[in-house]
Amino acid sequence: DAKTTQPPSMDCAEGRAANLPCNHSTISGNEYVYWYRQIHSQGPQYIIHGLKNNETNEMASLIITEDRKSSTLILPHATLRDTAVYYCIVRGHGNQGGKLIFGQGTELSVKP
Amino acid sequence: DAGVIQSPRHEVTEMGQEVTLRCKPISGHNSLFWYRQTMMRGLELLIYFNNNVPIDDSGMPEDRFSAKMPNASFSTLKIQPSEPRDSAVYFCASSFSTDTQYFGPGTRLTVL
Repeated sequence: DAKTTQPPSMDCAEGRAANLPCNHSTISGNEYVYWYRQIHSQGPQYIIHGLKNNETNEMASLIITEDRKSSTLILPHATLRDTAVYYCIVRGHGNQGGKLIFGQGTELSVKP
Repeated sequence: DAGVIQSPRHEVTEMGQEVTLRCKPISGHNSLFWYRQTMMRGLELLIYFNNNVPIDDSGMPEDRFSAKMPNASFSTLKIQPSEPRDSAVYFCASSFSTDTQYFGPGTRLTVL
């Protein structure tokens, strides 16, 4: 079973920041938070991951709460091409993990 | 880098026929994963290999499914005999030492 809880859907206006929440209250100390997205009819695409510090890359920012029980993925300036299903996944890293267990994700619709 | 390559992209077959799906992982990656996606069950892991050795096949539905990885650059997923309920999109993903996984474009299988 997925270890995360996400809202099933969200809307965002084009050009605005999209903030996607994720709850992972049972996360253990050696588990990372991963985010993937799946644009319609394509394979899942890696976005970002983190352990406890906030992370940023060219696609997004990941904010993890101090107790690590929840996180937020931020797309700073959403475009129509960011419309996709976003999956938040917790898993071990390196040889400690292997499986990605996908939940239902959040369907983000970016509107003009 | 060409990314993960899957073939065929689409396959339509009749019930009872053998189906073989193929995957070429990203060069240098030593872990390979097969996933299946359906509307009812979402994305689920079928099997994964590390250094060409199957590590976890607990997601393989039944004996009709088999997967092989004869070398580091090629893997197959075979269904024999195929059934209509096997209709799904099958994704292959690869990673280095089970870290971040990168997905292929998928094979859409339709069994009539």
